[in-house]
Amino acid sequence: GAGVSQSPSNKVTEKGKDVELRCDPISGHTALYWYRQSLGQGLEFLIYFQGNSAPDKSGLPSDRFSAERTGGSVSTLTIQRTQQEDSAVYLCASSPQRFYEQYFGPGTRLTVT
Amino acid sequence: DQQVKQNSPSLSVQEGRISILNCDYTNSMFDYFLWYKKYPAEGPTFLISISSIKDKNEDGRFTVFLNKSAKHLSLHIVPSQPGDSAVYFCAASARGSGNTGKLIFGQGTTLQVKP
Repeated sequence: GAGVSQSPSNKVTEKGKDVELRCDPISGHTALYWYRQSLGQGLEFLIYFQGNSAPDKSGLPSDRFSAERTGGSVSTLTIQRTQQEDSAVYLCASSPQRFYEQYFGPGTRLTVT
Repeated sequence: DQQVKQNSPSLSVQEGRISILNCDYTNSMFDYFLWYKKYPAEGPTFLISISSIKDKNEDGRFTVFLNKSAKHLSLHIVPSQPGDSAVYFCAASARGSGNTGKLIFGQGTTLQVKP
């Protein structure tokens, strides 16, 4: 079946611009996670959605970052006023429920110039 | 504060031999551990997991060992194949009430299997 998809695959933006990254989880998966991987680092948790529950935003690095999940399916991660340190690969993962294995999308490589 | 550590950035082994990748953790609340494999330009792919109630879990060529007292886990690949060449991430989660299932990842170990 279809896996997790993300778009765009690559995004180059100028410092100060806003960007939107999209994630389409596996159909039926209620848990959705965003992570980012900076160069040479492991994956860093950003935010978690589970059904209609309030999201866990504890990993968002600043108030320039926000995310939403509409209709319990597609999610959008928005970064406002991008900075060079925001350059990373942003990965989305979904899971049938929390505490199950997470299935990752291919990621969006964001470069802020 | 690095709660999950993979101290070896890289490992090189000969095809057919055993690959052993190591991972240490500091948070005693972690009770579920996973290994992911990542090829360039792709997302991580789930390999194998282990719950803290076990000390070993096996799936084909892959075995994960957990030593709770040492807060250490390892992934054994036997026999290693060139297609196993990738970055391997160790991840941990706390599954207690109130937790979200978010994964805490190590920095990764790049495995190269030479033909």
